[in-house]
Amino acid sequence: LAKTTQPISMDSYEGQEVNITCSHNNIATNDYITWYQQFPSQGPRFIIQGYKTKVTNEVASLFIPADRKSSTLSLPRVSLSDTAVYYCLVGEGGYNKLIFGAGTRLAVHP
Amino acid sequence: DAGVIQSPRHEVTEMGQEVTLRCKPISGHNSLFWYRQTMMRGLELLIYFNNNVPIDDSGMPEDRFSAKMPNASFSTLKIQPSEPRDSAVYFCASTQQGNTEAFFGQGTRLTVV
Repeated sequence: LAKTTQPISMDSYEGQEVNITCSHNNIATNDYITWYQQFPSQGPRFIIQGYKTKVTNEVASLFIPADRKSSTLSLPRVSLSDTAVYYCLVGEGGYNKLIFGAGTRLAVHP
Repeated sequence: DAGVIQSPRHEVTEMGQEVTLRCKPISGHNSLFWYRQTMMRGLELLIYFNNNVPIDDSGMPEDRFSAKMPNASFSTLKIQPSEPRDSAVYFCASTQQGNTEAFFGQGTRLTVV
């Protein structure tokens, strides 16, 4: 499985756009990129998944460059409730050994 | 569906006792995962099942840990004997095989004193 690297922590303020980048240099051809969010005292929650280019849903956008060696999770206009840990996972769609790294701890300030 | 259901939510036990954690996956999901989360080690995958069969248990820390999935709607994670270092939050998650959108339970907070 491809190893992922993310910043350990980030700080932002309410109303700002937050971009969290994940590096996955050894991503394989069949690998998908998936992001999860975890609030304190809760299990992780799926946010978004993509293979290439851009994916957008009601929560976030995921940008994946052509070489797919990195991806960026974009959270528009964050609020205090977006304070959480965000995990980037890379794995083959048919091989669902979901391995979580250390994640990025996002703190949103008033 | 009520989501992934774990029980108990909290468990406090004495060192040396047997602990059994339970999980009911979402109906129709055929992949089930057990994770352990601590501040020091983060979220660790212990074992996962596909169609009730253990596929990879390389994350199970020691022989004291065992997991079973007797049917598609129930799984257990057992620790015998328990030790203080087993104190953690244990999560169960389920999904359709091949799907990376997994659904997590609320977790069981285990404290071994």
